[in-house]
Amino acid sequence: AQSVTQLDSQVPVFEEAPVELRCNYSSSVSVYLFWYVQYPNQGLQLLLKYLSGSTLVKGINGFEAEFNKSQTSFHLRKPSVHISDTAEYFCAVYSGGYNKLIFGAGTRLAVHP
Amino acid sequence: GAGVSQSPSNKVTEKGKDVELRCDPISGHTALYWYRQSLGQGLEFLIYFQGNSAPDKSGLPSDRFSAERTGGSVSTLTIQRTQQEDSAVYLCASSSRVGTYEQYFGPGTRLTVT
Repeated sequence: AQSVTQLDSQVPVFEEAPVELRCNYSSSVSVYLFWYVQYPNQGLQLLLKYLSGSTLVKGINGFEAEFNKSQTSFHLRKPSVHISDTAEYFCAVYSGGYNKLIFGAGTRLAVHP
Repeated sequence: GAGVSQSPSNKVTEKGKDVELRCDPISGHTALYWYRQSLGQGLEFLIYFQGNSAPDKSGLPSDRFSAERTGGSVSTLTIQRTQQEDSAVYLCASSSRVGTYEQYFGPGTRLTVT
């Protein structure tokens, strides 16, 4: 079965500092990977996705992620965060055999002034 | 176009009562999913509808939970004889399931069982 592990439950960071949110997944033949963001009291919004092709994926709000097949990782990065990036971030893998997204437990990013 | 909508946005109910949560997917999306998000937790898959196929109910936590999707569009999640542990945010998502596998989420319904 597919599984997703987000290695950090909380990440505090100062404004304008770089940040990396880590995500590892269990291996599978075909892997589609996603990062979603959830702002307080809202639903989930897609940040970026990897389906195939270039391993470096750029998303909205200046975020990017790199698919690393050998390390089964899909870490999310931003070179300079803003207060408005404070939110919960979820990594997810699409499981074709199960026809659903498998989500990690989430990482709470707290950006401080 | 309009996104996924859910109603009500908040629901407070007494233990033992039945509740119905509604989801309107994006027009034309054939796949519809329900998830549960408990406080401080990740997303728990509940049920999945795809077109006219039999739904995947493998995530429903008990037989008090059921869902239906009428006419391939609107879906209702019903929780019977609610318990305090049912308190959570219930999220609905839809997908076109054509090439992208991307799911679009509604704002959720926050259920509080007192």
